[in-house]
Amino acid sequence: NAGVTQTPKFQVLKTGQSMTLQCAQDMNHNSMYWYRQDPGMGLRLIYYSASEGTTDKGEVPNGYNVSRLNKREFSLRLESAAPSQTSVYFCASMRWGNTGELFFGEGSRLTVL
Amino acid sequence: AQTVTQSQPEMSVQEAETVTLSCTYDTSESNYYLFWYKQPPSRQMILVIRQEAYKQQNATENRFSVNFQKAAKSFSLKISDSQLGDTAMYFCAFDSNYQLIWGAGTKLIIKP
Repeated sequence: NAGVTQTPKFQVLKTGQSMTLQCAQDMNHNSMYWYRQDPGMGLRLIYYSASEGTTDKGEVPNGYNVSRLNKREFSLRLESAAPSQTSVYFCASMRWGNTGELFFGEGSRLTVL
Repeated sequence: AQTVTQSQPEMSVQEAETVTLSCTYDTSESNYYLFWYKQPPSRQMILVIRQEAYKQQNATENRFSVNFQKAAKSFSLKISDSQLGDTAMYFCAFDSNYQLIWGAGTKLIIKP
């Protein structure tokens, strides 16, 4: 049982380049989330998808777009990467009725030069 | 605004000792969930323990227990008989409408 799988695990970009972080879960969860984690700060929510077909902005959505491709997959896109987007990104999923128990991927470390 | 505050950026204790991590939060809601998550050096976040606000009894999971003081909006985590594998970042989180609000974390180091 893979749980939540993120790719890539590491990526280095130049300012202005674009990229997509992929996330897939095999637990039949309804809700999926994208967080970023910066040193000395807790997780900050970028976007979330409460259910297939819906997406909503979180605390720090600027510079990002998301797609809930189907129930399993939720991707995060950086259209024009900036050094301020250097961070570790986590995808997570949650089953309805199990409030708050998030299942996380292993994280993706992104560096923007 | 709903916030979660962890006032201890870093703590260290000897193996087998008991350690308490503090967390306070601010909300106007009456029914909610609180969580402690652990992030070991491997980076993957894992749920440690969960508390439902309407339950007065403090949650326990083996060596992990909480001290939930609803009126004071306090939610501390106690780790008994600490082990080397407990070394990790610990995050307190509060559930708000299917989104979690996170504290900044406490780095816990267990020394042999």
